[in-house]
Amino acid sequence: AQKITQTQPGMFVQEKEAVTLDCTYDTSDPSYGLFWYKQPSSGEMIFLIYQGSYDQQNATEGRYSLNFQKARKSANLVISASQLGDSAMYFCAWGYAGNNRKLIWGLGTSLAVNP
Amino acid sequence: GAVVSQHPSRVICKSGTSVKIECRSLDFQATTMFWYRQFPKKSLMLMATSNEGSKATYEQGVEKDKFLINHASLTLSTLTVTSAHPEDSSFYICSARDLLGASNSPLHFGNGTRLTVT
Repeated sequence: AQKITQTQPGMFVQEKEAVTLDCTYDTSDPSYGLFWYKQPSSGEMIFLIYQGSYDQQNATEGRYSLNFQKARKSANLVISASQLGDSAMYFCAWGYAGNNRKLIWGLGTSLAVNP
Repeated sequence: GAVVSQHPSRVICKSGTSVKIECRSLDFQATTMFWYRQFPKKSLMLMATSNEGSKATYEQGVEKDKFLINHASLTLSTLTVTSAHPEDSSFYICSARDLLGASNSPLHFGNGTRLTVT
């Protein structure tokens, strides 16, 4: 069965610095997608970035980039130039490509950005 | 961008009563919506997959008769917590994907409903 692992329950980063949030997955399927979501204390889930298993390049969205290492089955999120508003829970999720989006979720990483 | 509206955002009800939570896709159609439950400081737990025009698919351990799901249109799914008890107190959040979206289109989430049963 598919499995998502986020090994960092909590992380701290200094404002304006970069931070990497880890995510590894376990699957034997060749076609899949990986998602990162941000959940502030208010509760809403905010989509950040997507990486497809066949994508040749690492995904980037503004200050977010995904360090995708397929052979290692890792999809780490890199946040550059951290801002105070980045403090939140971050979830990594795995899903079949083209599926109706039933996702397998990691346990999340709580990120605190220090001024 | 795609917007999912979820109401109410907060609800307090007495034990034994029922509570209905609505999830609407405002600018797209969704044949499938997902209902999650989230405990404090925990990950999302998928409760059920709501299918437009047919019965919902419940995850193992989720009581169908307690958490009634109706998906009557391509833009609306409802979750009814029946005969609520204090242990049902939780954060419930729905999500949907654009029916016409590309294969890499993400799930869009509502803002969640915090249910407190007294």
